[in-house]
Amino acid sequence: DADVTQTPRNRITKTGKRIMLECSQTKGHDRMYWYRQDPGLGLRLIYYSFDVKDINKGEISDGYSVSRQAQAKFSLSLESAIPNQTALYFCATSEIDEQFFGPGTRLTVL
Amino acid sequence: RKEVEQDPGPFNVPEGATVAFNCTYSNSASQSFFWYRQDCRKEPKLLMSVYSSGNEDGRFTAQLNRASQYISLLIRDSKLSDSATYLCVAEANYKLSFGAGTTVTVRA
Repeated sequence: DADVTQTPRNRITKTGKRIMLECSQTKGHDRMYWYRQDPGLGLRLIYYSFDVKDINKGEISDGYSVSRQAQAKFSLSLESAIPNQTALYFCATSEIDEQFFGPGTRLTVL
Repeated sequence: RKEVEQDPGPFNVPEGATVAFNCTYSNSASQSFFWYRQDCRKEPKLLMSVYSSGNEDGRFTAQLNRASQYISLLIRDSKLSDSATYLCVAEANYKLSFGAGTTVTVRA
């Protein structure tokens, strides 16, 4: 079984809809991260959490929110999706330096 | 300006060739550095950490120059399986800044 899982793997939605992306990990790591990846821009940090109930904004948090209710789970929400949030979203976990990534969620907002 | 800049490539090389590429970082507070490998929009995976003295892992050699704030990766004896996008990463305060990636294609 994968150490970091993401659901859904693919999602197509319409402008204005609320979307939640889930991330779960079995690595026992305290630190978790959400990134988005766009062609030519690399991965950009949306939010991160160093412990349960700890939430920190990343580089591009506008339009997103997160929830960390348990060590193993970190969810990302788009309250009202817009087309420029179409991207590949990755969740990651870490203990010290190395980050371990989930398989990604491909989100398309029409 | 992005915190980590990379030449996007692509670098097209024949099997057995040596290929090298650099990246630069702008945050002087960066403490740790890494190269990640990403295949065809799959998740990035750690290739190697980069140490101040430079380090080697098989056919891969990484160098760090803190004074000039650049990091390099050299791949010797390229294999077809080395075809991927290589992401340069700088870490500060447990947060990673990623370059956009350098694409390497190894041809038979």
